[in-house]
Order: sequence, then C-alpha cells, then structure tokens
Amino acid sequence: DAKTTQPPSMDCAEGRAANLPCNHSTISGNEYVYWYRQIHSQGPQYIIHGLKNNETNEMASLIITEDRKSSTLILPHATLRDTAVYYCIVRPQAAGNKLTFGGGTRVLVKP
Amino acid sequence: NAGVMQNPRHLVRRRGQEARLRCSPMKGHSHVYWYRQLPEEGLKFMVYLQKENIIDESGMPKERFSAEFPKEGPSILRIQQVVRGDSAAYFCASSRGTGEYTGELFFGEGSRLTVL
Repeated sequence: DAKTTQPPSMDCAEGRAANLPCNHSTISGNEYVYWYRQIHSQGPQYIIHGLKNNETNEMASLIITEDRKSSTLILPHATLRDTAVYYCIVRPQAAGNKLTFGGGTRVLVKP
Repeated sequence: NAGVMQNPRHLVRRRGQEARLRCSPMKGHSHVYWYRQLPEEGLKFMVYLQKENIIDESGMPKERFSAEFPKEGPSILRIQQVVRGDSAAYFCASSRGTGEYTGELFFGEGSRLTVL
C-alpha cells in the first residue's frame, strides 16, 4: 500500500472548519483514499473514502487533488467530540485488503 | 443491526496464563481482522481471516499467538503463556466479502488485556 504523510498534530477552534492534509505521492491507480478516526480508547471509526472525485457525507468532505498525490479531509464545523487521531490510508477497495495505520494526526478541538 | 461485538472488554491475566478474546462480526460479514494497539502507540495489523481460513497472518507474532474463525461462532484470538508485553488493546474489525462492498472496515470497541 502507498505510504501517507500527515502532520502529527493540529489544533482547531470549536465551530470552525478543520482541514486535515494528507500526502500520498506514490498512490497507485487502483488505490482509494480512506479516512478513519480514533477517539480516545475507542475503536477506529470510518469517516469517508474516495478515488478521484471529491466526496461528502454527513461527517466530512474529502477533497482529492487532480493528480491524486494529496488530499484534505474537511470537518465543516468542528465540535469538542471531534477531538481524535485522524488516519489517512490508501489501499485498493477490493475485499480482503487490510488497513495499514500510520501515525495519524492528533486533532485537538478547543473551545 | 448490531455492530462488531468483542468480549471480554477487559481481561486481567497473570504471567503464564492464557487469554482468549472473542469477536462476533457484523451480520453478513465474512471477513475478520485483528489489530493490536500497545499503550500510547498506533494500531498494528495482526491477522486477517475468512470463515475457516487464515488469509494473512503477517502481523502475528510467531509464537504463543493464534487465531481462528470457525464456520459457526465468533472469531477467537488466543494468546498462550501471556507476558507483560502482551498488555494492550486488541481490536477486531469486519467487512463484507461481496456485494455492495465499499472497502470499509467496521471496528469493535476492543478488548483490553492487562497482564500482571
């Protein structure tokens, strides 16, 4: 699986948008970009994924650059409950492909 | 639709004892993954199983650890002769194998093993 690079930590003000960057310059054509988060002591939670088009769901938006070498996860209105470690992972969508977690970005939402 | 169920949530063992962790995947899911998270560290893949088959065990320690996913019943992660270094949170995830598959893995809340 392609390697990803994320900043180790970032702070965000409550109510503001949080923009989380991820670099994946070696991504392959069949690899999707997945985002998960882990709130303290809980199991990881799926957020969103995409291939090349921008995606939006009830939790977040995913913006993927045209060359697919980087992406940004946007939490539109961060709340205190969004404080977590956010993981950007690239891998094929096919069944049976495990997720390989890196260090992620530790996001602290401050009041 | 119940999520991934893991039990026990907390387990305390003395050195040399055995630990058994159970994982019931989501309904309709035939793929199970086990991950380990040591204190203050990231999630590390251990093993991936389908019903009655181990598909990828590249992350499993060579000794004392084993996993199974029988035709009936939950997946079991078994740790024999536990040592203090086995103290960690063990997470199970499941996914579909066919049909409307999005690549998403659904995680349980984990089993926290403490070895005294």
